[in-house]
Amino acid sequence: DSGVTQTPKHLITATGQRVTLRCSPRSGDLSVYWYQQSLDQGLQFLIQYYNGEERAKGNILERFSAQQFPDLHSELNLSSLELGDSALYFCASRLQGACGYTFGSGTRLTVV
Amino acid sequence: AQRVTQPEKLLSVFKGAPVELKCNYSYSGSPELFWYVQYSRQRLQLLLRHISRESIKGFTADLNKGETSFHLKKPFAQEEDSAMYYCALRGWKGAQKLVFGQGTRLTINP
Repeated sequence: DSGVTQTPKHLITATGQRVTLRCSPRSGDLSVYWYQQSLDQGLQFLIQYYNGEERAKGNILERFSAQQFPDLHSELNLSSLELGDSALYFCASRLQGACGYTFGSGTRLTVV
Repeated sequence: AQRVTQPEKLLSVFKGAPVELKCNYSYSGSPELFWYVQYSRQRLQLLLRHISRESIKGFTADLNKGETSFHLKKPFAQEEDSAMYYCALRGWKGAQKLVFGQGTRLTINP
């Protein structure tokens, strides 16, 4: 167990639907990073939050959004899902100033 | 711009043979380089950081600033080394996010 918890582990949903992925960072870590891993695109950075505020955006679609709550857990919302959104979604957390990033086990999203 | 290139998508070697996974980077400054390993689409696990200059599971990597490379090496491959390997870069400015290469799938043949 890395200390970063992601739920659910698996999610199967239909096109056009909306889902929410959840990430609880390691205790004490203020930063949360979301990544999408797909077969053709590899690991793509989506978005970062630090202590509740958005810090950086990467290749995140407008249909996707995220937030970080006061208890530091984060949610990634994916809407109007398309087949191409099927991927593994990872979150990672990091303590400010520290080098190491700790990854969760990911949520495998399948859009049918 | 930050960029990491892993030129080999697939690499297959025999057990006991040396392994080298290539990684080249592009960054205007002094980045921090990492190698992550992923077994069977599980979570990414940190294998090495160039700053720590340590050897994990027999793997080493040396940062070559002249060649902008951070190749991962192991003198004698073992079957349990079969996995996906990602090279990643972190800059010192802004969000300090990790930028990953496309990954190399390493297969060790018995």
